[in-house]
Amino acid sequence: DAGVIQSPRHEVTEMGQEVTLRCKPISGHDYLFWYRQTMMRGLELLIYFNNNVPIDDSGMPEDRFSAKMPNASFSTLKIQPSEPRDSAVYFCAGQNTEAFFGQGTRLTVV
Amino acid sequence: SQQGEEDPQALSIQEGENATMNCSYKTSINNLQWYRQNSGRGLVHLILIRSNEREKHSGRLRVTLDTSKKSSSLLITASRAADTASYFCATEPGSARQLTFGSGTQLTVLP
Repeated sequence: DAGVIQSPRHEVTEMGQEVTLRCKPISGHDYLFWYRQTMMRGLELLIYFNNNVPIDDSGMPEDRFSAKMPNASFSTLKIQPSEPRDSAVYFCAGQNTEAFFGQGTRLTVV
Repeated sequence: SQQGEEDPQALSIQEGENATMNCSYKTSINNLQWYRQNSGRGLVHLILIRSNEREKHSGRLRVTLDTSKKSSSLLITASRAADTASYFCATEPGSARQLTFGSGTQLTVLP
């Protein structure tokens, strides 16, 4: 098992552009979480899914952020349009009890 | 504010010494977990302690939980330079599955 796979690992984009982050979780995890990590705010929960259904998206900062999980093996986090303050490392994690994190996507919006 | 708050924010020790990190939280929990993050990497699960447990060991790791004080500690014995990383506590509340992470302790182990 290759673990949780996120792509891309790094993304640099211009302000106003659409950004799509991808996550392939480990098979068998009922929950999938999207987090954002910055120096200022630490690790923030954005949204999580249970059996592919969004349960709590109260952490999504604005309507510019959206997430989908069309099936158990794939999820996306989209930012449209992106802004410089969205620059952060974005993690997805699969979980039943303990969380298994991907390596993250480092997003830089210039 | 975050559910879990680690103390200290940063800790620097010599190789071979023990490192102790503390975590405080605010609400009732099902379990408390500790994670490690190396620079530029994702978080890795270290150990989980349930609310009805008081102490747990895993290799050089020892975790304690005091639910009356809403606090936990992580002890790393005989530290190594490779233990240099950020350490986070995370709590799973009684009513939901999502973990709430603290702000982390940056541990530096000097060779």
